[in-house]
Amino acid sequence: DQQVKQNSPSLSVQEGRISILNCDYTNSMFDYFLWYKKYPAEGPTFLISISSIKDKNEDGRFTVFLNKSAKHLSLHIVPSQPGDSAVYFCAASFGPSRNTPLVFGKGTRLSVIA
Amino acid sequence: DTGVSQNPRHKITKRGQNVTFRCDPISEHNRLYWYRQTLGQGPEFLTYFQNEAQLEKSRLLSDRFSAERPKGSFSTLEIQRTEQGDSAMYLCASSWDRRSGAFFGQGTRLTVV
Repeated sequence: DQQVKQNSPSLSVQEGRISILNCDYTNSMFDYFLWYKKYPAEGPTFLISISSIKDKNEDGRFTVFLNKSAKHLSLHIVPSQPGDSAVYFCAASFGPSRNTPLVFGKGTRLSVIA
Repeated sequence: DTGVSQNPRHKITKRGQNVTFRCDPISEHNRLYWYRQTLGQGPEFLTYFQNEAQLEKSRLLSDRFSAERPKGSFSTLEIQRTEQGDSAMYLCASSWDRRSGAFFGQGTRLTVV
């Protein structure tokens, strides 16, 4: 049973436009969410995170939105750049220690077309 | 370079052989994680350590798999009697504060032939 779901395997966006990557989760115990970016032949790189006490976190071109009632989060990239082309993973964790192992989705491959 | 380091980067082995991978975490991180990633999937948790103590193991970690983290520094993941289904990317990550996220190494790609 997948607790973190990324239902879109791929997404293509024109350079300069907004990229929106979506993620749904089923475990209401999750209280911390992260996005990772992965290039081929490299490990995932941490991008941005959000705690369940917030509904938005912004870092430069990247914004993550959290809708707890819908158990849904999204990553917005504005403006999209060709260098953003990669696989994006949504991840979640829970627990008072806040260092419980991350549960990942299957990823969404973003292609930014020049 | 003070990132997470994994060796080897690639390993090809014959079915039935044993293999061992090494991970050197970021030095001040006390948590170390092992994940496995197969094609089309996200990383799947295998096991993790806080300092030298192994705190959790996934059901994915069969008795052919063993991990150690002596003295709370580097870690090794050993797979005994490898099977073709073990072919995957094995990722190591370390962390201190989850607000900064876990930092991943480049992974070890295992191919069992």
